[in-house]
Amino acid sequence: DQQVKQNSPSLSVQEGRISILNCDYTNSMFDYFLWYKKYPAEGPTFLISISSIKDKNEDGRFTVFLNKSAKHLSLHIVPSQPGDSAVYFCAAIETLGGGSNYKLTFGKGTLLTVNP
Amino acid sequence: KAGVTQTPRYLIKTRGQQVTLSCSPISGHRSVSWYQQTPGQGLQFLFEYFSETQRNKGNFPGRFSGRQFSNSRSEMNVSTLELGDSALYLCASSFRLAGELFFGEGSRLTVL
Repeated sequence: DQQVKQNSPSLSVQEGRISILNCDYTNSMFDYFLWYKKYPAEGPTFLISISSIKDKNEDGRFTVFLNKSAKHLSLHIVPSQPGDSAVYFCAAIETLGGGSNYKLTFGKGTLLTVNP
Repeated sequence: KAGVTQTPRYLIKTRGQQVTLSCSPISGHRSVSWYQQTPGQGLQFLFEYFSETQRNKGNFPGRFSGRQFSNSRSEMNVSTLELGDSALYLCASSFRLAGELFFGEGSRLTVL
């Protein structure tokens, strides 16, 4: 059972336009969400996160929106740049028990290509 | 500050063999977690160690094991390798449990 789903394996946008990467989840116990970016031959790097008590978090060109009722989050990149071309992973955390343990689940990723 | 270092970067093994991968976290980070990345399954959580204790474990068979040393360095071992174990194995370190993860470049394992 895949609890974090990125239904679009790939996305292609023009430079300067908005990129919207989507992520759906099924576990209502997730309380923290993160986006990671991965270039080929490199490890993923942290981009931006959002707590379940918020519905928006912004960092420069990157904004993450969380819709808890729809169990949906999205990453907006505005404006998109060719250097943003990478695989983007959505991840969700469920804090377990007394808070010292947690479960981190990644989506399968979406390949974003930004064309010059 | 040095990043997360994984060794070896590439290795080729045959079925039935075993392999040990190493991960040195960022200095001061006490949490080390391991992930398997394959084209069809994305990033899958293997396990996490914090202060030499396994704190969380994913849904992988017992052939996959790990440990963490007092200096926070971690090793991951896969025994009786199968073709399906071919993947990129990523290590990530964090200052605390459930903290921001800093990933290494990965160890690409090919099982023939």
